[in-house]
Amino acid sequence: GENVEQHPSTLSVQEGDSAVIKCTYSDSASNYFPWYKQELGKRPQLIIDIRSNVGEKKDQRIAVTLNKTAKHFSLHITETQPEDSAVYFCAAYFNKFYFGSGTKLNVKP
Amino acid sequence: KAGVTQTPRYLIKTRGQQVTLSCSPISGHRSVSWYQQTPGQGLQFLFEYFSETQRNKGNFPGRFSGRQFSNSRSEMNVSTLELGDSALYLCASSQDRAGANVLTFGAGSRLTVL
Repeated sequence: GENVEQHPSTLSVQEGDSAVIKCTYSDSASNYFPWYKQELGKRPQLIIDIRSNVGEKKDQRIAVTLNKTAKHFSLHITETQPEDSAVYFCAAYFNKFYFGSGTKLNVKP
Repeated sequence: KAGVTQTPRYLIKTRGQQVTLSCSPISGHRSVSWYQQTPGQGLQFLFEYFSETQRNKGNFPGRFSGRQFSNSRSEMNVSTLELGDSALYLCASSQDRAGANVLTFGAGSRLTVL
């Protein structure tokens, strides 16, 4: 089955800096890659997603890149703000969702 | 539009008991999937129901089961509870089969097994 690895497990940045979270997947048939943000005590919420026929997608300060050959995708957050502090999960989909183990992002004011 | 509603939000059970959790999807959504979230483990897929049929199942023992009703509401049941079943159980709904459309999560049911 699919295996999704996510790194780093924790990431601490200064406000205004960029943050990058990386995920790798094993099944080349995976075709949908969403990213979820989960604030403490709250439900995961989709922040951006990408399908396998697209290499990059951007939404304001957030971007996702996908390298199908290398089987990895990354989340990029620019100009980080304290409200970006949360746990971020990547996922890969092929018949079912496989989630990474999460990255706890701490943005220091 | 109401979001995904899960009940109960919190519950405490003892080993050996069974529990039933409920999930009401967003109106018009036909797919409901369930996930177990534990610290450090991320989200583990349990199963997906689409139009009352189990479409897919994760690697959990048979003590975990679910069903979906004609109004798309779904329930999951865990029998013979073990301490390791303590977790946040999240359900998510999507308009069509999961993966074709965005997942919207409920707030979860936090189960504590003593």
